[in-house]
Amino acid sequence: NAGVTQTPKFQVLKTGQSMTLQCAQDMNHEYMSWYRQDPGMGLRLIHYSVGAGITDQGEVPNGYNVSRSTTEDFPLRLLSAAPSQTSVYFCASSPGGRGNSPLHFGNGTRLTVT
Amino acid sequence: SQQGEEDPQALSIQEGENATMNCSYKTSINNLQWYRQNSGRGLVHLILIRSNEREKHSGRLRVTLDTSKKSSSLLITASRAADTASYFCATDEMNRDDKIIFGKGTRLHILP
Repeated sequence: NAGVTQTPKFQVLKTGQSMTLQCAQDMNHEYMSWYRQDPGMGLRLIHYSVGAGITDQGEVPNGYNVSRSTTEDFPLRLLSAAPSQTSVYFCASSPGGRGNSPLHFGNGTRLTVT
Repeated sequence: SQQGEEDPQALSIQEGENATMNCSYKTSINNLQWYRQNSGRGLVHLILIRSNEREKHSGRLRVTLDTSKKSSSLLITASRAADTASYFCATDEMNRDDKIIFGKGTRLHILP
């Protein structure tokens, strides 16, 4: 059972480039979310989804797009990368879709924007 | 702004001692969770406590919740070197339980 798989593990972008961070889970979880982690800032919620076809904004959504066309996948798109988006990105999923279910995390994508 | 705020930011204790970390939050919640993160890795769920519960135990972990003070504490008893990690609390909100917000975390270092 793979759990939550994030690709790539590392990525370097130039300012203005676009890219998609991939997240896939094989646990049939309805709820999926993206966080970014910066030193001293903990994890901040970017976007989340309570099921296929449904997405909503978190604390820091600007500069990021998401879609949820299947239960398994929840890609995060950076439309025009900026140095402020240098961070470690974590994808998470949970079965219950609410705060009463533990989140399962991927191992993260470390993104550097130069 | 972030919902949870852990205290202290960093904590160093001798192996075998107990470690206590606190989390304060701003709005009424349905659930509060604690997670551990080893350096550079994804977070691992430790324990979940609901708003109608006051205390929960899991092995060497004990979590308390005081909704009147909007605070929670995580106690790790008989600490081990392997407990060295960052610990985060995460909360939902009473009317938005699909939004799970994390605090900034406590860095715990267990000294041999």
